[in-house]
Amino acid sequence: DGGITQSPKYLFRKEGQNVTLSCEQNLNHDAMYWYRQDPGQGLRLIYYSQIVNDFQKGDIAEGYSVSREKKESFPLTVTSAQKNPTAFYLCASSIPPSHEQFFGPGTRLTVL
Amino acid sequence: RKEVEQDPGPFNVPEGATVAFNCTYSNSASQSFFWYRQDCRKEPKLLMSVYSSGNEDGRFTAQLNRASQYISLLIRDSKLSDSATYLCVVRRNDMRFGAGTRLTVKP
Repeated sequence: DGGITQSPKYLFRKEGQNVTLSCEQNLNHDAMYWYRQDPGQGLRLIYYSQIVNDFQKGDIAEGYSVSREKKESFPLTVTSAQKNPTAFYLCASSIPPSHEQFFGPGTRLTVL
Repeated sequence: RKEVEQDPGPFNVPEGATVAFNCTYSNSASQSFFWYRQDCRKEPKLLMSVYSSGNEDGRFTAQLNRASQYISLLIRDSKLSDSATYLCVVRRNDMRFGAGTRLTVKP
């Protein structure tokens, strides 16, 4: 079945540690996105990538980094520079012309 | 002002009721419009795209008013399974999400 997978589903880390969230898709979509969702707020864009080996900052990129070495994979690293990393992280992909986005199941990160 | 604004609710309605959600957006250059549904602690899933002429999918009807920068979603004959948060999404160069309207359908 085609889809987007994210792992792990739940992640606990100590403050000051970097952590990498996985996102893989087999939909053959060119574009991939990372969002974070906080309670009572809409999704906020962290980074996006329209094509392999290229990515752009979203609205809240500070404290995060990404790579796009393969079309299928778009991992997100939450660095120790991110002031408030505890959140629900969602990965998505899309394809023109509709640009409808399809989401993975998300990773809940808790920093202790 | 937020780019996409929705009434957060919650809307509590009985089964069989008709309920309408509204959404306004600030950027007149927005090109595409969507409604997503998000269940508690799950990822958003596309409910329907919204077209200029309005469109219907079973019990769901979406309307777009570009002049007023306003989008609506109407749910007829509500089911218990419709309970969720409904996200209004607007696209210009990237997708902008509203914070969502929470719906609870009660027996």
